[in-house]
Amino acid sequence: DAGVTQSPTHLIKTRGQHVTLRCSPISGHKSVSWYQQVLGQGPQFIFQYYEKEERGRGNFPDRFSARQFPNYSSELNVNALLLGDSALYLCASSKRLAGSSNEQFFGPGTRLTVL
Amino acid sequence: GQQLNQSPQSMFIQEGEDVSMNCTSSSIFNTWLWYKQDPGEGPVLLIALYKAGELTSNGRLTAQFGITRKDSFLNISASIPSDVGIYFCAGLNYGGSQGNLIFGKGTKLSVKP
Repeated sequence: DAGVTQSPTHLIKTRGQHVTLRCSPISGHKSVSWYQQVLGQGPQFIFQYYEKEERGRGNFPDRFSARQFPNYSSELNVNALLLGDSALYLCASSKRLAGSSNEQFFGPGTRLTVL
Repeated sequence: GQQLNQSPQSMFIQEGEDVSMNCTSSSIFNTWLWYKQDPGEGPVLLIALYKAGELTSNGRLTAQFGITRKDSFLNISASIPSDVGIYFCAGLNYGGSQGNLIFGKGTKLSVKP
């Protein structure tokens, strides 16, 4: 079975632009979470979606938004890009929203560089 | 954002050596997970722990969920070159309406020159 897939793998944008990142979860997984990982740090939680609804949000500005589609794939959107948004953006999927034995599996990430 | 305290920050290994790393938190978790991340890739799940005091193995890897629910450790026995990478601990509190992971800053394993 395919794992979590993300596109694109790399992206270069300039300050002020908008970006859309995409994620397809593992087949059968209904929850998608987004994380931002800057160099030298662990991933930081941005959003969690389940059944097309936002179910959790980390400490990120309103420039960050996301949505989940009926097929459980997801998009992360970032508006008015800043240099500090340069990071690896990771998508993780899990079977359910929460609960025991509900591990999150990560995709390879999208490397975003803002110039 | 919140991060767990993970140590050591980095370490050098020689093939065949045993490796230990740990993770502590000021708050309790009901799940601890350990991931490994290679350069340019996403984290790969190594071990998941669900009960305080639980000791779980995955091949040469052994991890324990601390009895206080505020810490966990990971041991790697008889290290090999492919063990090189960055290891992250992550805590999870499930239940309620969400379940997001809180990560440590990582332990970087390198080969001794």
